[in-house]
Amino acid sequence: GESVGLHLPTLSVQEGDNSIINCAYSNSASDYFIWYKQESGKGPQFIIDIRSNMDKRQGQRVTVLLNKTVKHLSLQIAATQPGDSAVYFCAESTGGGNKLTFGTGTQLKVEL
Amino acid sequence: EAEVAQSPRYKITEKSQAVAFWCDPISGHATLYWYRQILGQGPELLVQFQDESVVDDSQLPKDRFSAERLKGVDSTLKIQPAELGDSAMYLCASSSGQGWADTQYFGPGTRLTVL
Repeated sequence: GESVGLHLPTLSVQEGDNSIINCAYSNSASDYFIWYKQESGKGPQFIIDIRSNMDKRQGQRVTVLLNKTVKHLSLQIAATQPGDSAVYFCAESTGGGNKLTFGTGTQLKVEL
Repeated sequence: EAEVAQSPRYKITEKSQAVAFWCDPISGHATLYWYRQILGQGPELLVQFQDESVVDDSQLPKDRFSAERLKGVDSTLKIQPAELGDSAMYLCASSSGQGWADTQYFGPGTRLTVL
């Protein structure tokens, strides 16, 4: 079946550096993508989303890039802080977000 | 800020016992979801409600799992009997149920351990 996957299970960055978390998806019909942050013992927290008719969307310190040609999604975090340490999931859906398919997640570790 | 509430936060039970989880969505949210998350993996949808009606329960193991949302507000997920493989985090999420790109907001989850 269709799946969403992440390239790296663990990403370590220095505090203050920029982080890039990547995600590949295989369903060409996917039209809505979301990034969630999950801290240990907590539920996923919405970070940012993007529709398939967009290539880039910016939020506070975060940017999501979508490349539909190669079915690739990335989350960029500027000036990474210790509080950014968490597992990051990308999720995709068709039809605007009702049924989300999540990837396995990337653990982001911020080193002081 | 409104949040999705879940209880209990942690549950330890023995196999073959019955367990139940409760979820109170964000006020006014018509759509409610139950997910199961195995450690190290992303959440997987078990059941989706629109108001009091089940929209999707295709991934719900109906021989042992049941879910209800009788008044279209809070919801209960039950497992009977619990099996060792049911150990996981059970997450509830809600969304407004209106429009396209309807963001899902998650609760803190219930961590189930089956012994």
